Amino acid sequence: AQSVTQPDIHITVSEGASLELRCNYSYGATPYLFWYVQSPGQGLQLLLKYFSGDTLVQGIKGFEAEFKRSQSSFNLRKPSVHWSDAAEYFCAVGSNAGNNRKLIWGLGTSLAVNP
Amino acid sequence: ETGVTQSPTHLIKTRGQQVTLRCSSQSGHNTVSWYQQALGQGPQFIFQYYREEENGRGNFPPRFSGLQFPNYSSELNVNALELDDSALYLCASSLGDRKIYEQYFGPGTRLTVT
Repeated sequence: AQSVTQPDIHITVSEGASLELRCNYSYGATPYLFWYVQSPGQGLQLLLKYFSGDTLVQGIKGFEAEFKRSQSSFNLRKPSVHWSDAAEYFCAVGSNAGNNRKLIWGLGTSLAVNP
Repeated sequence: ETGVTQSPTHLIKTRGQQVTLRCSSQSGHNTVSWYQQALGQGPQFIFQYYREEENGRGNFPPRFSGLQFPNYSSELNVNALELDDSALYLCASSLGDRKIYEQYFGPGTRLTVT
Protein backbone atom coordinates (compact mmCIF):
# COMPACT_ATOMS: atom_id res chain seq x y z
CA ALA A 1 0.00 0.00 0.00
CA GLN A 2 1.13 3.51 -0.70
CA SER A 3 2.26 5.39 2.37
CA VAL A 4 4.31 8.31 3.62
CA THR A 5 6.46 8.22 6.73
CA GLN A 6 7.81 11.23 8.54
CA PRO A 7 10.08 9.71 11.19
CA ASP A 8 10.42 12.82 13.32
CA ILE A 9 7.32 13.90 15.25
CA HIS A 10 8.95 16.97 16.82
CA ILE A 11 12.12 18.86 15.95
CA THR A 12 13.58 21.87 17.73
CA VAL A 13 16.26 24.02 16.13
CA SER A 14 17.83 27.35 16.97
CA GLU A 15 17.12 30.35 14.82
CA GLY A 16 19.75 30.60 12.10
CA ALA A 17 20.57 26.90 12.20
CA SER A 18 20.07 24.59 9.24
CA LEU A 19 17.07 22.28 9.02
CA GLU A 20 16.34 18.93 7.45
CA LEU A 21 12.95 17.24 7.76
CA ARG A 22 12.79 13.65 6.65
CA CYS A 23 10.17 12.03 4.45
CA ASN A 24 10.08 8.47 3.13
CA TYR A 25 7.44 7.17 0.78
CA SER A 26 6.21 3.85 -0.49
CA TYR A 27 4.95 4.01 -4.06
CA GLY A 28 5.40 1.71 -7.03
CA ALA A 29 5.75 4.20 -9.87
CA THR A 30 7.49 7.55 -10.14
CA PRO A 31 5.84 9.56 -7.39
CA TYR A 32 4.46 13.05 -7.35
CA LEU A 33 5.79 14.46 -4.08
CA PHE A 34 4.85 17.50 -2.08
CA TRP A 35 5.73 19.39 1.07
CA TYR A 36 3.13 21.52 2.80
CA VAL A 37 3.31 23.75 5.87
CA GLN A 38 0.50 24.35 8.33
CA SER A 39 0.55 27.11 10.91
CA PRO A 40 -1.63 26.66 14.03
CA GLY A 41 -5.31 26.77 13.16
CA GLN A 42 -4.57 27.36 9.50
CA GLY A 43 -4.93 25.51 6.25
CA LEU A 44 -2.06 23.93 4.33
CA GLN A 45 0.31 25.96 2.18
CA LEU A 46 2.21 24.29 -0.65
CA LEU A 47 5.97 24.74 -0.16
CA LEU A 48 7.25 22.78 -3.15
CA LYS A 49 6.55 19.87 -5.45
CA TYR A 50 8.37 17.23 -7.44
CA PHE A 51 6.89 15.71 -10.58
CA SER A 52 9.93 14.77 -12.67
CA GLY A 53 13.26 16.09 -13.88
CA ASP A 54 15.79 17.77 -11.64
CA THR A 55 15.79 15.94 -8.32
CA LEU A 56 16.58 19.08 -6.33
CA VAL A 57 13.54 21.34 -6.25
CA GLN A 58 13.28 24.84 -4.92
CA GLY A 59 10.23 26.13 -3.12
CA ILE A 60 8.92 29.18 -1.40
CA LYS A 61 10.30 30.72 1.80
CA GLY A 62 13.84 29.49 1.04
CA PHE A 63 13.01 25.78 1.28
CA GLU A 64 14.34 23.07 -1.00
CA ALA A 65 13.87 19.31 -1.20
CA GLU A 66 15.78 16.50 -2.83
CA PHE A 67 14.18 13.42 -4.38
CA LYS A 68 16.28 10.28 -3.94
CA ARG A 69 14.70 7.32 -5.66
CA SER A 70 17.23 4.82 -4.26
CA GLN A 71 16.28 5.82 -0.73
CA SER A 72 12.58 6.49 -1.41
CA SER A 73 13.09 9.83 0.26
CA PHE A 74 12.11 13.44 -0.29
CA ASN A 75 13.74 15.40 2.52
CA LEU A 76 13.02 19.07 3.08
CA ARG A 77 15.88 21.44 3.84
CA LYS A 78 16.49 25.05 4.71
CA PRO A 79 19.97 26.51 5.28
CA SER A 80 18.96 29.06 7.93
CA VAL A 81 15.74 28.80 9.90
CA HIS A 82 13.72 31.86 10.93
CA TRP A 83 11.45 32.04 13.97
CA SER A 84 8.47 32.36 11.61
CA ASP A 85 9.21 28.87 10.25
CA ALA A 86 7.80 27.30 13.42
CA ALA A 87 4.84 25.24 12.18
CA GLU A 88 3.72 21.74 11.26
CA TYR A 89 5.23 20.30 8.09
CA PHE A 90 3.57 17.59 6.04
CA CYS A 91 4.97 15.45 3.27
CA ALA A 92 2.49 14.00 0.76
CA VAL A 93 2.51 11.74 -2.28
CA GLY A 94 0.02 11.80 -5.14
CA SER A 95 -1.73 8.45 -5.43
CA ASN A 96 -4.08 6.97 -8.03
CA ALA A 97 -4.76 3.73 -6.15
CA GLY A 98 -8.30 2.44 -6.64
CA ASN A 99 -8.83 5.12 -9.26
CA ASN A 100 -8.82 7.75 -6.52
CA ARG A 101 -6.47 10.56 -7.43
CA LYS A 102 -5.69 11.93 -4.03
CA LEU A 103 -2.84 12.96 -1.76
CA ILE A 104 -1.60 10.53 0.86
CA TRP A 105 -0.07 12.26 3.86
CA GLY A 106 2.49 11.66 6.53
CA LEU A 107 1.63 12.39 10.13
CA GLY A 108 3.61 15.60 10.08
CA THR A 109 6.66 17.01 11.84
CA SER A 110 6.20 19.80 14.33
CA LEU A 111 9.03 22.34 14.14
CA ALA A 112 9.88 24.58 17.06
CA VAL A 113 12.45 27.38 16.69
CA ASN A 114 14.44 28.64 19.66
CA PRO A 115 15.49 32.30 19.61
CA GLU B 1 -6.31 35.54 -8.35
CA THR B 2 -8.68 34.48 -5.58
CA GLY B 3 -7.57 31.66 -3.33
CA VAL B 4 -9.64 28.86 -1.85
CA THR B 5 -12.17 30.02 0.70
CA GLN B 6 -14.22 27.99 3.17
CA SER B 7 -17.18 28.74 5.38
CA PRO B 8 -17.91 28.73 8.18
CA THR B 9 -14.63 29.01 10.05
CA HIS B 10 -15.88 27.25 13.14
CA LEU B 11 -18.98 25.24 13.89
CA ILE B 12 -20.37 23.50 16.94
CA LYS B 13 -23.01 20.82 16.46
CA THR B 14 -24.71 18.20 18.58
CA ARG B 15 -24.43 14.47 17.95
CA GLY B 16 -27.08 13.33 15.47
CA GLN B 17 -27.38 16.69 13.73
CA GLN B 18 -26.50 17.44 10.12
CA VAL B 19 -23.94 19.95 8.85
CA THR B 20 -23.05 21.58 5.52
CA LEU B 21 -19.61 23.00 4.86
CA ARG B 22 -18.85 25.19 1.87
CA CYS B 23 -15.83 25.74 -0.33
CA SER B 24 -15.07 28.12 -3.17
CA SER B 25 -12.28 26.91 -5.41
CA GLN B 26 -9.39 28.96 -6.68
CA SER B 27 -10.12 30.84 -9.88
CA GLY B 28 -9.73 28.55 -12.91
CA HIS B 29 -9.66 25.31 -10.90
CA ASN B 30 -12.25 22.66 -11.81
CA THR B 31 -11.46 20.01 -9.18
CA VAL B 32 -12.24 20.08 -5.48
CA SER B 33 -11.01 17.57 -2.92
CA TRP B 34 -12.17 17.33 0.68
CA TYR B 35 -10.05 16.10 3.56
CA GLN B 36 -10.65 15.47 7.25
CA GLN B 37 -7.81 16.28 9.62
CA ALA B 38 -8.13 15.02 13.18
CA LEU B 39 -6.02 16.63 15.86
CA GLY B 40 -2.38 15.61 15.55
CA GLN B 41 -2.94 13.70 12.32
CA GLY B 42 -2.36 14.21 8.64
CA PRO B 43 -5.35 14.88 6.40
CA GLN B 44 -7.50 11.94 5.28
CA PHE B 45 -9.10 11.97 1.84
CA ILE B 46 -12.90 12.08 1.91
CA PHE B 47 -13.81 12.54 -1.78
CA GLN B 48 -13.11 14.57 -4.87
CA TYR B 49 -15.29 16.33 -7.41
CA TYR B 50 -14.32 17.04 -10.99
CA ARG B 51 -16.65 19.02 -13.22
CA GLU B 52 -19.63 18.38 -10.92
CA GLU B 53 -19.13 14.60 -10.73
CA GLU B 54 -17.70 12.59 -7.84
CA ASN B 55 -14.26 11.55 -9.03
CA GLY B 56 -13.07 9.36 -6.19
CA ARG B 57 -13.91 8.56 -2.61
CA GLY B 58 -11.93 7.59 0.46
CA ASN B 59 -12.90 5.28 3.28
CA PHE B 60 -15.74 7.37 4.69
CA PRO B 61 -19.34 6.21 5.24
CA PRO B 62 -22.22 7.32 2.99
CA ARG B 63 -23.39 9.88 5.55
CA PHE B 64 -20.52 11.98 4.16
CA SER B 65 -21.77 13.36 0.86
CA GLY B 66 -20.95 16.24 -1.40
CA LEU B 67 -21.83 18.39 -4.34
CA GLN B 68 -20.01 20.49 -6.86
CA PHE B 69 -21.73 23.36 -8.62
CA PRO B 70 -21.30 24.73 -12.16
CA ASN B 71 -18.98 27.45 -10.81
CA TYR B 72 -16.88 24.62 -9.27
CA SER B 73 -17.67 25.58 -5.70
CA SER B 74 -18.49 22.64 -3.49
CA GLU B 75 -20.33 21.49 -0.40
CA LEU B 76 -19.59 18.75 2.09
CA ASN B 77 -22.60 17.39 3.95
CA VAL B 78 -22.39 15.17 6.99
CA ASN B 79 -25.53 13.53 8.38
CA ALA B 80 -26.06 11.92 11.78
CA LEU B 81 -22.99 13.55 13.28
CA GLU B 82 -20.85 11.49 15.63
CA LEU B 83 -18.36 12.68 18.22
CA ASP B 84 -15.49 11.32 16.09
CA ASP B 85 -16.49 13.68 13.29
CA SER B 86 -14.93 16.51 15.29
CA ALA B 87 -12.02 17.64 13.12
CA LEU B 88 -10.68 20.28 10.78
CA TYR B 89 -12.27 19.89 7.35
CA LEU B 90 -10.09 21.04 4.51
CA CYS B 91 -11.06 21.80 0.97
CA ALA B 92 -8.47 21.87 -1.79
CA SER B 93 -8.80 22.90 -5.41
CA SER B 94 -6.72 21.96 -8.41
CA LEU B 95 -6.76 21.74 -12.16
CA GLY B 96 -7.63 18.39 -13.68
CA ASP B 97 -5.35 15.82 -15.29
CA ARG B 98 -1.69 15.90 -14.22
CA LYS B 99 -2.23 19.02 -12.14
CA ILE B 100 -4.88 17.26 -10.07
CA TYR B 101 -2.33 16.44 -7.39
CA GLU B 102 -1.12 20.04 -7.09
CA GLN B 103 -3.74 21.05 -4.57
CA TYR B 104 -4.28 24.43 -2.98
CA PHE B 105 -6.01 24.48 0.36
CA GLY B 106 -8.46 26.72 2.09
CA PRO B 107 -8.14 27.67 5.76
CA GLY B 108 -10.46 24.88 6.84
CA THR B 109 -13.63 24.59 8.90
CA ARG B 110 -13.20 23.48 12.51
CA LEU B 111 -16.16 21.25 13.39
CA THR B 112 -16.82 20.33 17.01
CA VAL B 113 -19.47 17.72 17.77
CA THR B 114 -20.73 17.59 21.37
